[in-house]
Amino acid sequence: EVQLVESGGGLVQPGRSLRLSCAASGFKFDDHAMHWVRQGPGKGLEWVSGTSWNSGIIAYADSVKGRFIVSRDDAKNSLYLQMDSLRAEDTAMYYCAKGSGRRSFSYWYFDLWGRGTLVTVSS
Amino acid sequence: DIVMTQSPDSLAVSLGERATINCKSSQSLSYTTNNKNYLAWYQQKPGQPPRLLIYWASTRESGVPDRFSGSGSGTDFTLTISSLQAEDVAVYYCQQFYSTSALTFGGGTRVEIK
Repeated sequence: EVQLVESGGGLVQPGRSLRLSCAASGFKFDDHAMHWVRQGPGKGLEWVSGTSWNSGIIAYADSVKGRFIVSRDDAKNSLYLQMDSLRAEDTAMYYCAKGSGRRSFSYWYFDLWGRGTLVTVSS
Repeated sequence: DIVMTQSPDSLAVSLGERATINCKSSQSLSYTTNNKNYLAWYQQKPGQPPRLLIYWASTRESGVPDRFSGSGSGTDFTLTISSLQAEDVAVYYCQQFYSTSALTFGGGTRVEIK
């Protein structure tokens, strides 16, 4: 089955760190760009970070730049998001999303989404 | 960053009637090299992740009913549901992928049954 499964969310205090994981299955993971998209409670969608199929292109939203690091382990078919210096405004459901296309013909819209993992930043 | 503005914020439509959602970008999403518009539409139902409906502004994703259609070019785009069904109640988002250094979504449009 083609799917993405996120894990690692939880309740964390401001200033602390958390690492999210996304396990992919059912498709050739190392052919595709992968992304993190978040949604605050009752709010819209916000792209957080993305990495190209070969990690040659990595990008971040300004709101997380310098605090979050995205990485991928193709041997484990997994995507990660290391989140440091967490703030209350980082509270959100975090979705892992697969980019469309393959390798050099990738386009950064999202054709497969996981169900998300909830991150709550609060003291 | 490219700002995406959707309108209206919400709309209520009778079953079987047409629903129209607009999305405007702060700069053109059209690449002259390939004449494509880098705009996608998503549907999000309560408690579910988003689902891709449309990409390249007007190409329907596999499995999406043909009552959903996308149109527009440059900075102005539209998602149309030609005959609203009960299962179409959701929030709809547009997203630009023209700028890969900063992908952005519209604020969302909530569609309800009148």
